[in-house]
Amino acid sequence: KAGVTQTPRYLIKTRGQQVTLSCSPISGHRSVSWYQQTPGQGLQFLFEYFSETQRNKGNFPGRFSGRQFSNSRSEMNVSTLELRDSALYLCASSGGGRNTDTQYFGPGTRLTVL
Amino acid sequence: DAKTTQPPSMDCAEGRAANLPCNHSTISGNEYVYWYRQIHSQGPQYIIHGLKNNETNEMASLIITEDRKSSTLILPHATLRDTAVYYCISHNQGGNTPLVFGKGTRLSVIA
Repeated sequence: KAGVTQTPRYLIKTRGQQVTLSCSPISGHRSVSWYQQTPGQGLQFLFEYFSETQRNKGNFPGRFSGRQFSNSRSEMNVSTLELRDSALYLCASSGGGRNTDTQYFGPGTRLTVL
Repeated sequence: DAKTTQPPSMDCAEGRAANLPCNHSTISGNEYVYWYRQIHSQGPQYIIHGLKNNETNEMASLIITEDRKSSTLILPHATLRDTAVYYCISHNQGGNTPLVFGKGTRLSVIA
């Protein structure tokens, strides 16, 4: 099976712009979770989608949003970018096979805000 | 906050077993112990998980103490490619809760 894919892999934006990141889960997985990783805060949970519904949400401002499509692909959007949004954004999928709760991560999207 | 405690760093000689400890003294009965690793700037890689029995797969072995308050991840024959940050996470399967990552242990495998 193909793993979790994320596009783009690298992105450079300027303050005030918005950005959309995409995640394609492992085939058959219905849950997609998003995490932000920064040197200072480590890996932090953003939100989780399951069957097109947000099931869980972390402690991030409303500028961070997401959605999931009927094919389980997910996008996350960050509006009005700030310098501190520079981070590695990771997507993880779960929900298939024997270990239904085990999350498998993609390679991440490295976002740089200038 | 993470509910596990790990040493910040460890070294291991190439070819030797790497034993990474994790303390999870407040783990609840329905929480599993998960291990992931992250090689520099890549996404975390799932290694293994367990509830109370020891587990082994092609990557590693997981030894969980009988009282479930601590565990050890064992890489039987460490290679340079095993250099990474290793995260131990207690996670409630089926609870629809996110993984909570701590700072992990930075394992350096030395030739």
